[in-house]
Amino acid sequence: AQSVAQPEDQVNVAEGNPLTVKCTYSVSGNPYLFWYVQYPNRGLQFLLKYITGDNLVKGSYGFEAEFNKSQTSFHLKKPSALVSDSALYFCAVRDMGQAGTALIFGKGTTLSVSS
Amino acid sequence: SQTIHQWPATLVQPVGSPLSLECTVEGTSNPNLYWYRQAAGRGLQLLFYSVGIGQISSEVPQNLSASRPQDRQFILSSKKLLLSDSGFYLCAWALPNEQFFGPGTRLTVL
Repeated sequence: AQSVAQPEDQVNVAEGNPLTVKCTYSVSGNPYLFWYVQYPNRGLQFLLKYITGDNLVKGSYGFEAEFNKSQTSFHLKKPSALVSDSALYFCAVRDMGQAGTALIFGKGTTLSVSS
Repeated sequence: SQTIHQWPATLVQPVGSPLSLECTVEGTSNPNLYWYRQAAGRGLQLLFYSVGIGQISSEVPQNLSASRPQDRQFILSSKKLLLSDSGFYLCAWALPNEQFFGPGTRLTVL
């Protein structure tokens, strides 16, 4: 079965410092991987995705993620964090089973950026 | 451009009362539609998906049901709410390699 793990419930960084939000996955074939961000009481906003090609994927708001097949990871990164980046971040993998394009989500990681 | 609407935004209901949450999509036809629930500390759980009018698939057993009376309308219902039904409900529609989410409905069952 396909799954996604986000090992950290919360990540704390100071503004201006680099940030990393970790994600590992387990799939039977080639993974389709996604990152979404959720602000309080809002829906999910798409940040970036990896389907194929370059292992370093650039997305919205200055975020990027690196696909590492050997480590089965897809960590989200940003060189310099902003206070406004504070939110809940979800990693997801596409479910290739009956649900077609449905996504399987990790539990989420709360990012807190302090000024 | 495509837009997805959900209402109501927030809802407080007593245990045992019925539920109806509505989701509509604009700017696309014959979308795949999804209902997810986000419970505190548990991430998102797929509840139902639909590939067309009247076609509903359930991912987990529960006292909720879904219907798709029109191409771009997806409704989540319950005859009798439980305390455990509290959560944040998200509707989504999908392209082959991306999903787009609505603003969500915060349901509190008391």
